[in-house]
Amino acid sequence: GAVVSQHPSWVICKSGTSVKIECRSLDFQATTMFWYRQFPKQSLMLMATSNEGSKATYEQGVEKDKFLINHASLTLSTLTVTSAHPEDSSFYICSARDWASVSSYNEQFFGPGTRLTVL
Amino acid sequence: QKEVEQNSGPLSVPEGAIASLNCTYSDRVSQSFFWYRQYSGKSPELIMSIYSNGDKEDGRFTAQLNKASQYVSLLIRDSQPSDSATYLCAVFQAGTALIFGKGTTLSVSS
Repeated sequence: GAVVSQHPSWVICKSGTSVKIECRSLDFQATTMFWYRQFPKQSLMLMATSNEGSKATYEQGVEKDKFLINHASLTLSTLTVTSAHPEDSSFYICSARDWASVSSYNEQFFGPGTRLTVL
Repeated sequence: QKEVEQNSGPLSVPEGAIASLNCTYSDRVSQSFFWYRQYSGKSPELIMSIYSNGDKEDGRFTAQLNKASQYVSLLIRDSQPSDSATYLCAVFQAGTALIFGKGTTLSVSS
């Protein structure tokens, strides 16, 4: 399957600072990437859909001014958590689709995730 | 509202047994169906995809799809302790992100 990377894999920051998480599709072009958040023992929660060259689409209840998403190229999307607070501590996972694949499945591949801890 | 339902479990099976995981979905226009495995503290890993009615086999895994009943399942044969994880059912519709169920926790005892 297609490979998606994330950086950093974990980050600890002080309350009030901003954190940027990068998501890259390594061997395919991803016109669409997705950002999820997962709290311990809970299911994945879709935060936003990121489209290359356009504004992200945020899910209801997700603050777009707090979670800034940029998808400037076909292989890179970034999520910036601005003015992070302890309640933002979570596991952030990006995902991407390989639209050029001949597969009919529209498979979605996940990055390894970034664990954010805000002190 | 589009929904994907899974029994949260835990589903406990002995090593070597068949584990059967089930999922139902609410929207008939769903096109593709996926099973992801997620180990604790890790991101989901795609293990099976299916979009036609019937069975699809890959090694010890078999996905079954019944669109009339809006039902998709995953069978794991010869279950191993390393199969212990949470299994997420996901459904695709054109123009949307995958819709995930809450996952079923599988525990395989040796």
